Amino acid sequence: AQSVTQLDSHVSVSEGTPVLLRCNYSSSYSPSLFWYVQHPNKGLQLLLKYTSAATLVKGINGFEAEFKKSETSFHLTKPSAHMSDAAEYFCVVSLSYSGAGSYQLTFGKGTKLSVIP
Amino acid sequence: EAGVAQSPRYKIIEKRQSVAFWCNPISGHATLYWYQQILGQGPKLLIQFQNNGVVDDSQLPKDRFSAERLKGVDSTLKIQPAKLEDSAVYLCASRGRGGPNIYEQYFGPGTRLTVT
Repeated sequence: AQSVTQLDSHVSVSEGTPVLLRCNYSSSYSPSLFWYVQHPNKGLQLLLKYTSAATLVKGINGFEAEFKKSETSFHLTKPSAHMSDAAEYFCVVSLSYSGAGSYQLTFGKGTKLSVIP
Repeated sequence: EAGVAQSPRYKIIEKRQSVAFWCNPISGHATLYWYQQILGQGPKLLIQFQNNGVVDDSQLPKDRFSAERLKGVDSTLKIQPAKLEDSAVYLCASRGRGGPNIYEQYFGPGTRLTVT
């Protein structure tokens, strides 16, 4: 079984300050991990993904995440928040194998990021 | 390339009524998913298709939900009869066959269902 826990349901930062969204995962196998972003009334968009290559993953819009197996964490960071970053962020885990259930995504409950001007 | 299309975008029905949602995946994508996203939660997988066959429907409430993907392209998700707890956003996603983006699911804008 696999699961993710997003440690904060709501994070509020000032514009220009760093962003940290925390995620811990649980997986019986080597997982693939993702961060998706959802802006109001828009579809989910992939920010970045970890698929057993480099542990520090860079994504779009200046976001990055580091896979730490010893801590079972995959926290999302950005050096400087922008107003347009205000959205809901989902940490997602997937197992990659063939057959039934292949590449299925299990979502966390989400973290709402607010950016204060 | 065109993204995943869904319709309608919004739907309001009374409990015990029926409703259907439509999804058109990205051209060439063999795998199609339907998710339910209840307010304040992450999306939950309902059903997964590979071409026109069901791969996994273990989380689909089959007493009231049904889905099909005729000809392995478009898909419809139906609820009959609807309950108040079915109020949610229904998301459709598709995934390609291989390559570096094999893991990535592309999501449509969703259909927001309100059951009164």
